[in-house]
Amino acid sequence: GAGVSQSPSNKVTEKGKDVELRCDPISGHTALYWYRQSLGQGLEFLIYFQGNSAPDKSGLPSDRFSAERTGGSVSTLTIQRTQQEDSAVYLCASNSLGGAHGYTFGSGTRLTVV
Amino acid sequence: QKEVEQNSGPLSVPEGAIASLNCTYSDRGSQSFFWYRQYSGKSPELIMSIYSNGDKEDGRFTAQLNKASQYVSLLIRDSQPSDSATYLCATKLLSGGGADGLTFGKGTHLIIQP
Repeated sequence: GAGVSQSPSNKVTEKGKDVELRCDPISGHTALYWYRQSLGQGLEFLIYFQGNSAPDKSGLPSDRFSAERTGGSVSTLTIQRTQQEDSAVYLCASNSLGGAHGYTFGSGTRLTVV
Repeated sequence: QKEVEQNSGPLSVPEGAIASLNCTYSDRGSQSFFWYRQYSGKSPELIMSIYSNGDKEDGRFTAQLNKASQYVSLLIRDSQPSDSATYLCATKLLSGGGADGLTFGKGTHLIIQP
């Protein structure tokens, strides 16, 4: 596609429920990143996919968080047993050169856990 | 521990003046530097990238990099009300064993006063 597409744009869920967030990167981009931005805070790195390599999961805050990328394209970020502190905007970004030249963000998913 | 520091602001600048945004970073291995603009409720948008010491100009924007002093700055000439946004500074290692993407500062909130 022309840009990075994320869905849903907004998600309200009850504490303890599981949620799935989707990212469709720019066509041909091999690198895909998930970041989280809490209100008034900076961007927090979560996970990075590069081609067929094993993902870098070093930023995932707990084992309730997981992500996969199927066919080197679409990625899904799953949060199990959501907690209120998971409320944030989840941003996906993609790049063709592993981030060396900056990357393009999607519009994000605003997650609210009530 | 890689850190990127920015003054959170708000930085208030009269319309038509030069806005100067500063950023310092702790990791001397950083090789790529980026400025993103983020409007309220929107995702970050890449506006400038710089890789070598000195100045890089693009329209009304000039990025300045000093690796010896570990700072990078963004100048906005002829500031317009539409420049009012949060500006995020980000850095990346040249090679990181792939991995953890960009490190972002928390951003400087810029207000251009008409």
